[in-house]
Amino acid sequence: GENVEQHPSTLSVQEGDSAVIKCTYSDSASNYFPWYKQELGKRPQLIIDIRSNVGEKKDQRIAVTLNKTAKHFSLHITETQPEDSAVYFCAASMRGGADGLTFGKGTHLIIQP
Amino acid sequence: DTAVSQTPKYLVTQMGNDKSIKCEQNLGHDTMYWYKQDSKKFLKIMFSYNNKELIINETVPNRFSPKSPDKAHLNLHINSLELGDSAVYFCASSTRPDNSPLHFGNGTRLTVT
Repeated sequence: GENVEQHPSTLSVQEGDSAVIKCTYSDSASNYFPWYKQELGKRPQLIIDIRSNVGEKKDQRIAVTLNKTAKHFSLHITETQPEDSAVYFCAASMRGGADGLTFGKGTHLIIQP
Repeated sequence: DTAVSQTPKYLVTQMGNDKSIKCEQNLGHDTMYWYKQDSKKFLKIMFSYNNKELIINETVPNRFSPKSPDKAHLNLHINSLELGDSAVYFCASSTRPDNSPLHFGNGTRLTVT
C-alpha cells in the first residue's frame, strides 16, 4: 500500500515569514494529493489539493507543488499569520484505488508573533 | 445543517463496556469512512464503505464493527473496550473512494478508564 512521509514534525516560523512542509509518497500510481489543516480540538479541513496532471497550484497565500518523478509534494504558506498555527497533514491516493487517503504524520506549525 | 455529523462528541466509559458512535452525512456522498486519530495526531483509516458495501477493512481488532444501514449513515460499534482504544474517532465522507476530498465530522473523543 501507499506510504506517505512528512517533514518536519514541528515547524516554528516568525509571523510574516514563509513556511514549507514537505511530503514524499511511495506508490507511483498515486495521483491525488490533498492538504488538510487541523486546528486544536477541531476536525481536519481541506485547504488545497493537486492532481498529478498539474505541477503547481496556488490559492492566495497557499501553494502546493508536485514533482511526480521524485514522488514528492510540498505545501508553501507565505506571509504567515497567527491563524495559520495548526497541524497540517499531507495525503495521497490513487484513481481506482480502494485504499482511500493515506495521511502523513502531520506537521505542527507554530507562528511566533 | 452540518454536512457530516457524528454523535456523541465525548464518550467516557470503563474497560470492558460496549459503545457505539453514530455518523450521518447530508452531502449525498457515496463513500463513508472511519478514521482513528491517536494521541500523536496520526490519522489512520479503519473502515470505508461505498454505497453500503465495505471496501476497506484495515487491520483493526474485530471488536470494532461498522454498520451502514444506508449510504448516508455509517455507525461504529466497539465491544469490550480497552484502554488503548482511547482516541478521537473521525467519520468522513467523499463522493467516491478514490481521488476525491474527504469531508470530516467533528470527531468523537473516546476515553476508556
